[in-house]
Amino acid sequence: GENVEQHPSTLSVQEGDSAVIKCTYSDSASNYFPWYKQELGKGPQLIIDIRSNVGEKKDQRIAVTLNKTAKHFSLHITETQPEDSAVYFCAPIREGGTSYGKLTFGQGTILTVHP
Amino acid sequence: ETGVTQTPRHLVMGMTNKKSLKCEQHLGHNAMYWYKQSAKKPLELMFVYSLEERVENNSVPSRFSPECPNSSHLFLHLHTLQPEDSALYLCASSQDGTNYGYTFGSGTRLTVV
Repeated sequence: GENVEQHPSTLSVQEGDSAVIKCTYSDSASNYFPWYKQELGKGPQLIIDIRSNVGEKKDQRIAVTLNKTAKHFSLHITETQPEDSAVYFCAPIREGGTSYGKLTFGQGTILTVHP
Repeated sequence: ETGVTQTPRHLVMGMTNKKSLKCEQHLGHNAMYWYKQSAKKPLELMFVYSLEERVENNSVPSRFSPECPNSSHLFLHLHTLQPEDSALYLCASSQDGTNYGYTFGSGTRLTVV
């Protein structure tokens, strides 16, 4: 099965700074790389994803970069705001076959943005 | 609302009780999932239903019993639970068992006393 590690486990930044969270995975056949954001009292919500044929994807202040050779991908948040404070999870997976959408989550990164 | 609704939001039960968690999705998806989220542990996949058939049971104790009567509803029946079963139980759904449109509910916070 997939082994997933996230770093750091906690991250504290000042409003306006950038934040980067890294996810390392073990299955070289993984081809879908999503990031989820979980706010207090809510379930995780997909915020950005990337597939293995693309090296980088950006959506306003958030971006994801992928290094398939090194088997890691990262979440980048620029111009952080207090509402970005949440727990962020990565969940790399190999789509197709018998995966049936069985996500394996990292342990999560608690991001705190101080005003 | 995400389109996946879980009830109740909070539940306190004794170890000898029987209770059920309910999940309903309004997204037209045909795969549904139960996850367990404990403090300081990664989200753990418990069960997967695809087209109303259980296709995954991740070595979950028999005191947890899932039921999927149709593609819109998923239940988790609980009986004789232990205090270590206290956690946030999350339901999710997706289309065709893929990751497309993977959507979580807000969860049920379960406390076993």
